[in-house]
Amino acid sequence: NAGVTQTPKFRILKIGQSMTLQCAQDMNHNYMYWYRQDPGMGLKLIYYSVGAGITDKGEVPNGYNVSRSTTEDFPLRLELAAPSQTSVYFCASSYGTGEDTIYFGEGSWLTVV
Amino acid sequence: GQNIDQPTEMTATEGAIVQINCTYQTSGFNGLFWYQQHAGEAPTFLSYNVLDGLEEKGRFSSFLSRSKGYSYLLLKELQMKDSASYLCSMDSNYQLIWGAGTKLIIKP
Repeated sequence: NAGVTQTPKFRILKIGQSMTLQCAQDMNHNYMYWYRQDPGMGLKLIYYSVGAGITDKGEVPNGYNVSRSTTEDFPLRLELAAPSQTSVYFCASSYGTGEDTIYFGEGSWLTVV
Repeated sequence: GQNIDQPTEMTATEGAIVQINCTYQTSGFNGLFWYQQHAGEAPTFLSYNVLDGLEEKGRFSSFLSRSKGYSYLLLKELQMKDSASYLCSMDSNYQLIWGAGTKLIIKP
């Protein structure tokens, strides 16, 4: 049982490049999330999904896109990378909301130069 | 509006007790989470409070007062491995709003 797996762990992008952060979970969770965490700041929700085929914007969706074609996978696409997108990105999943625990991936450190 | 606040940093001594406070404001409160995050790692679940009162889990306890919009995490018998950031998160209308985290430094 791998839990939440996200790749890559580290990536350096040039301004204007695009990339996809991959995320997969093997816990049959309905809910999946993408967060970013800037130094000294709380987790900010980028996008979330309540099930396959359904995605919704979070607090900071601009510059990102997601898809949820299967229950397991929830990739995050960065189009036209900007220095403001330099951050640590966490994918997470949960069975439901409320008291259901959120499980996080190990994080992806992205630097845009 | 929605707001959640916790101290930026705290220092405590190994073997001692420390209390990390969290205050929040929201109109649709469902519950409050505490997560632990070691430097360079993902957050991991510590506790979830939905009712007023204290919940104890070994060396860690979490308290909630819904009427005061207040929670605290109590860590007893501090160990060096407890050096980490502690994130408070409120479940507001079934969306999580995260505090910036409290960095706890443990000194020998």
